[in-house]
Amino acid sequence: DAGVIQSPRHEVTEMGQEVTLRCKPISGHNSLFWYRQTMMRGLELLIYFNNNVPIDDSGMPEDRFSAKMPNASFSTLKIQPSEPRDSAVYFCASSWGQGNQPQHFGDGTRLSIL
Amino acid sequence: EDKVVQSPLSLVVHEGDTVTLNCSYEVTNFRSLLWYKQEKKAPTFLFMLTSSGIEKKSGRLSSILDKKELFSILNITATQTGDSAVYLCAVGSGGSNYKLTFGKGTLLTVNP
Repeated sequence: DAGVIQSPRHEVTEMGQEVTLRCKPISGHNSLFWYRQTMMRGLELLIYFNNNVPIDDSGMPEDRFSAKMPNASFSTLKIQPSEPRDSAVYFCASSWGQGNQPQHFGDGTRLSIL
Repeated sequence: EDKVVQSPLSLVVHEGDTVTLNCSYEVTNFRSLLWYKQEKKAPTFLFMLTSSGIEKKSGRLSSILDKKELFSILNITATQTGDSAVYLCAVGSGGSNYKLTFGKGTLLTVNP
């Protein structure tokens, strides 16, 4: 079975550019989560979707960050404009149910903003 | 604010040793506690615990939860070099607004 698929694996771009990260959850899972991982803060939840609807976006750091889930098999996380402090590994995870089941993670996107 | 604290932060052992990793938490509306193993890429799921005192076991790994004292332990017996990784503890809380709060992890290094 295919796991959670994220793209790109690595992204290096200059400050001010728009960045779009993509995620395909595991088929049949109806909850999707975006996380950010840094050495200082560990893994932090950014936003949680259930049945394609955003349930909790309280972890989104500021208005420069936005996320969408247009259908059950695709989600994007966009940063516009990007800043060096956004550099981190961004993970997407999915689960079934209302989020109270084990979450399965993608391999992440390593983002570097110069 | 929900809090998950893991100890130790790092640990170096020799192959064959037994290790115990600790996770304590303070959260509102506890639902579950999960352990993940993270090597170079994605965290991979190990265990989910919801009830106190019931040990979950998978091969050389086992875990138990104490909801009264608000902690969990992850034991690894007869460690192997392949067990080297960061072990993450996460606590699920909330109702419809369910979320996982992760600890900073324990870096385990198993030397041959």
